[in-house]
Amino acid sequence: GQQVMQIPQYQHVQEGEDFTTYCNSSTTLSNIQWYKQRPGGHPVFLIQLVKSGEVKKQKRLTFQFGEAKKNSSLHITATQTTDVGTYFCAGPNQAGTALIFGKGTTLSVSS
Amino acid sequence: DVKVTQSSRYLVKRTGEKVFLECVQDMDHENMFWYRQDPGLGLRLIYFSYDVKMKEKGDIPEGYSVSREKKERFSLILESASTNQTSMYLCASSLSTGNTEAFFGQGTRLTVV
Repeated sequence: GQQVMQIPQYQHVQEGEDFTTYCNSSTTLSNIQWYKQRPGGHPVFLIQLVKSGEVKKQKRLTFQFGEAKKNSSLHITATQTTDVGTYFCAGPNQAGTALIFGKGTTLSVSS
Repeated sequence: DVKVTQSSRYLVKRTGEKVFLECVQDMDHENMFWYRQDPGLGLRLIYFSYDVKMKEKGDIPEGYSVSREKKERFSLILESASTNQTSMYLCASSLSTGNTEAFFGQGTRLTVV
């Protein structure tokens, strides 16, 4: 069946270092979404990418959608302790009726 | 702001009990979803619904059923709870299907003993 894979599963960085998480789908996606879940919280939508090769920025966060629309990445520049949490990518299932989530990348940041 | 409310934050149930998890959304969304979240496994889709009285199985429907009698309410039912159903359950809603953002409830941490 359709799979959405994320690496790495865990990443620890020192505050100020950069961080990247990668997402790969087994099928071409019409769009990809990214969510952040703070410790003890629920997933919260960050962004949606739709176009092949699309790049979007939110302050220190840069999101990319691959040319083949099967992969994506989230890059955080100069991490802060407020960036701690689990980052999930998600794409529509093949029928387009529901979101399939990756397993997430858990980021920890030490100051 | 969209609000998705789950009836309980924490639940403890006994093996074999019938368990109801309730979810209500206030934005008139057509689509509602139930996921379970386990360490290392991410969010896995249990069931979803795109209209009242309509439901579809997700990736892990075994041992669960759902009910959607009203547009704003989507219930997850564990017919006979088992210890392997101990998990965090997350309800979500969205305006459209897999192409618009999902809004999540705060989650219900269910422990089956």
